[in-house]
Amino acid sequence: KQEVTQIPAALSVPEGENLVLNCSFTDSAIYNLQWFRQDPGKGLTSLLLIQSSQREQTSGRLNASLDKSSGRSTLYIAASQPGDSATYLCAAFYNQGGKLIFGQGTELSVKP
Amino acid sequence: DAGVTQSPTHLIKTRGQQVTLRCSPKSGHDTVSWYQQALGQGPQFIFQYYEEEERQRGNFPDRFSGHQFPNYSSELNVNALLLGDSALYLCASSNDEETQYFGPGTRLLVL
Repeated sequence: KQEVTQIPAALSVPEGENLVLNCSFTDSAIYNLQWFRQDPGKGLTSLLLIQSSQREQTSGRLNASLDKSSGRSTLYIAASQPGDSATYLCAAFYNQGGKLIFGQGTELSVKP
Repeated sequence: DAGVTQSPTHLIKTRGQQVTLRCSPKSGHDTVSWYQQALGQGPQFIFQYYEEEERQRGNFPDRFSGHQFPNYSSELNVNALLLGDSALYLCASSNDEETQYFGPGTRLLVL
C-alpha cells in the first residue's frame, strides 16, 4: 500500500530559526514529490516539485530534497518568519495520469 | 488567468440530502481531480476526469459521483449525505499528468 507520512505533526519555533520538515513514502517507485503550503481554511499552494530524477529543488528560502532509495524527502526552511506559519503537506505522485498521495501535514508556527 | 475556481465556497446540508460542487480548471488544462480533506488530515483522492470520463477512482463509495463537461469543467455529486462527509473538497487541474494546480476548495458541513 502506498502511504506518505509526515513528522512531526506540529512544530513551533522562534523567528529566525532554520528548520526541517520530514516526509517519508513507502513505495520508492515515485514519479515526483511535491510540497504544498495550506493556510487555515484555504486551498493548497504548490511550493516545490521534485522529479524522481532530481535530488533537490530550491525556491528562495525553501529547499526540498528527495532520496528515493530511503523513501524520504525533506523541506528545509531558512531563517523562518511568522508569515511562514501554515500547514505544510507533502504528496507523492506515482504514475502518469495518476493521483497525489498526501501526508497528514506538519502544522508550523513561527513565533515573533 | 483565473486559475482553478470552485463554487460554492461554503455549503451547509443536512443528513440524507444531495450536494453538487463545481470546478472550473485553469485555462489550458484538460484533467480535473477531486480530493476530500477532513479536518486535520491530508487530502484523499476521490476521482479524476479526463476527456469527460472517469479515469481513476479512489476508495470512495458510489454515493460520490462526478461529471466532466466539454469545456473541461467538472462537478462532484454526493448523495445521501452523512455527517462524515463534512470536509473541505478540493479540485485540482492539470494538463501534463504531473503538476496539479489546486482551487480554494468548497467547505461542506453536514448537520
